Amino acid sequence: DTGVSQDPRHKITKRGQNVTFRCDPISEHNRLYWYRQTLGQGPEFLTYFQNEAQLEKSRLLSDRFSAERPKGSFSTLEIQRTEQGDSAMYLCASTPGGQVNYGYTFGSGTRLTVV
Amino acid sequence: GIQVEQSPPDLILQEGANSTLRCNFSDSVNNLQWFHQNPWGQLINLFYIPSGTKQNGRLSATTVATERYSLLYISSSQTTDSGVYFCAVEPQGGSTLGRLYFGRGTQLTVWP
Repeated sequence: DTGVSQDPRHKITKRGQNVTFRCDPISEHNRLYWYRQTLGQGPEFLTYFQNEAQLEKSRLLSDRFSAERPKGSFSTLEIQRTEQGDSAMYLCASTPGGQVNYGYTFGSGTRLTVV
Repeated sequence: GIQVEQSPPDLILQEGANSTLRCNFSDSVNNLQWFHQNPWGQLINLFYIPSGTKQNGRLSATTVATERYSLLYISSSQTTDSGVYFCAVEPQGGSTLGRLYFGRGTQLTVWP
């Protein structure tokens, strides 16, 4: 297993376009998280999946954002009608789950630039 | 929500020097992790340390949960230690299992 994979690594899009990012977690991990990181800040929570169920969404996740995790495997994050304020690094992480939450494994992130 | 404050915000060292990074948090936590973000943006988990002391090579960390702070020690720093170090916590009684709150990080630059 090569860890958490994210695709694409970079995305440049014009304002108003839709974009979709993919995250492949570590195969035995049943918890998956999306975070967003802007320049000079720490990552901020967006949403969380336990298997295929999306259990929480941050208020940062406006109606233009949607995330899915079909069959509890990979996850996608879609942003519709992108705005310049959406420019950020989008990070995915997975953990095994269970009572004790050990260290996260993050992917390399998708850097989105909206022009 | 819980507040996480890291200090110093920036740290510049010469290779071989030692350093201490601090993380203060405002409420009780279940989980505290230290991460290193390299210049390419990859976040690497360094320690899972809700309490106590751990060591891994030149790095060690101590969390005093009752006083709500954690320290990351880097000894004999190397240029490859450069990057941003983040502290992240999961508050006790949080609504989202495993949700981490990050500080703003310490930007470490190590010169040869």
